[in-house]
Amino acid sequence: DIVMTQTPLSLPVTLGQPASISCTSSQSLVHSDGNTYLSWLHQRPGQPPRLLIYEISNRFSGVPDRFSGSGAGTDFTLKVSRVEAEDVGVYYCMQATQFPLTFGGGTKVEIK
Amino acid sequence: QITLKESGPTLVKPTQTLTLTCTFSGFSLSSNGMGVGWIRQPPGKALEWLALIYWSDDKRYSPSLKSRLTITKDTSKNQVVLTMTNMDPVDTATYYCAHRKPGMLDFWGQGTLVTVSS
Repeated sequence: DIVMTQTPLSLPVTLGQPASISCTSSQSLVHSDGNTYLSWLHQRPGQPPRLLIYEISNRFSGVPDRFSGSGAGTDFTLKVSRVEAEDVGVYYCMQATQFPLTFGGGTKVEIK
Repeated sequence: QITLKESGPTLVKPTQTLTLTCTFSGFSLSSNGMGVGWIRQPPGKALEWLALIYWSDDKRYSPSLKSRLTITKDTSKNQVVLTMTNMDPVDTATYYCAHRKPGMLDFWGQGTLVTVSS
């Protein structure tokens, strides 16, 4: 199985300031078709996860442009340019390059 | 607009079989490339992928749970059913179904909390 490791586990942020979350995979996420199936999801308290970013850097429909994704191979980053109150919750990276699909352990973002 | 909704028992006893139904709209599971997956989340813990079924009826399972899981689809009813045998208290979790496009799970249901207790 591909192990997804996120850092940090917890991220206190100030409103309006940037935030960054890292995700590392135990194997390259480059698929045989050439795509890299790394996505980011956000889960607010009491809510289901929602897709933010797919294939490393593509924002899903309706996702604000303050969210951006980058990386390649085994190292990936989610950045929020200016954190807003609605951005609190837990962020997960997920790989869909290889079965079983696997998720990172999550990063909890809270406002200072 | 794609929506999914999970349904099933909220409480099951140890050793019993859990049957969950995902009823969806906004897409057809007979369309090329479509799929529906199941994911669970124990209280306060991370997400764990369980199973996925494709439009072609191809199925994939978590290796650690494969012996206990069965996923099926009823295209005419727009439903996907997940069964999990021999339930244990450690299986207490919120169970989600999600729409699958290549490389992503883009739409999720609200989830259903299943508690395993005698």
